[in-house]
Amino acid sequence: EAGVAQSPRYKIIEKRQSVAFWCNPISGHATLYWYQQILGQGPKLLIQFQNNGVVDDSQLPKDRFSAERLKGVDSTLKIQPAKLEDSAVYLCASSLGGYREKLFFGSGTQLSVL
Amino acid sequence: SQQGEEDPQALSIQEGENATMNCSYKTSINNLQWYRQNSGRGLVHLILIRSNEREKHSGRLRVTLDTSKKSSSLLITASRAADTASYFCATDPFSGTYKYIFGTGTRLKVLA
Repeated sequence: EAGVAQSPRYKIIEKRQSVAFWCNPISGHATLYWYQQILGQGPKLLIQFQNNGVVDDSQLPKDRFSAERLKGVDSTLKIQPAKLEDSAVYLCASSLGGYREKLFFGSGTQLSVL
Repeated sequence: SQQGEEDPQALSIQEGENATMNCSYKTSINNLQWYRQNSGRGLVHLILIRSNEREKHSGRLRVTLDTSKKSSSLLITASRAADTASYFCATDPFSGTYKYIFGTGTRLKVLA
């Protein structure tokens, strides 16, 4: 079974630029998550989708971050404009149903904002 | 906000020894999971324990859950160099929305 695919693997941008990350979850997984992991910390949930709909985006900085999930499959996370404190690894995860189930993670996108 | 906090933050042991790490959380939960993260990689699920369970085993892993103390422990027996990684607990709190909140992690180093 193919895992969660993310791209790009690394991204370096200057502050105030925009950047987008892409995620393709495991086929058939209804729930998709975006986490932000700052160096030395645990992952922090940014947004959770159930199929096409947003379940939770309470910690998404909506003035600069946006996310969408197209047709309940692929998802993109965008930052515009980026700040220095956005430097982190952005992890995408998916689960079959979303409740009381394990998460499958991609390898992440490491973002450096200079 | 961080719901879980792992202890210790870092742990260094010799190959063959047992490693124990703890997770404390703040609010009542539906279930708790443990994940492993190798350097530069995504997280890998290890084990899930439900709020009505007290202990679970998977291979060399043993997880306990004490809901009265709001804490869980992960024991890795007979550790190997390949167990070197960061370990995170993730809780699914009673909040009305089903989401997992990760702790701060324990960095385990197993010396050969």
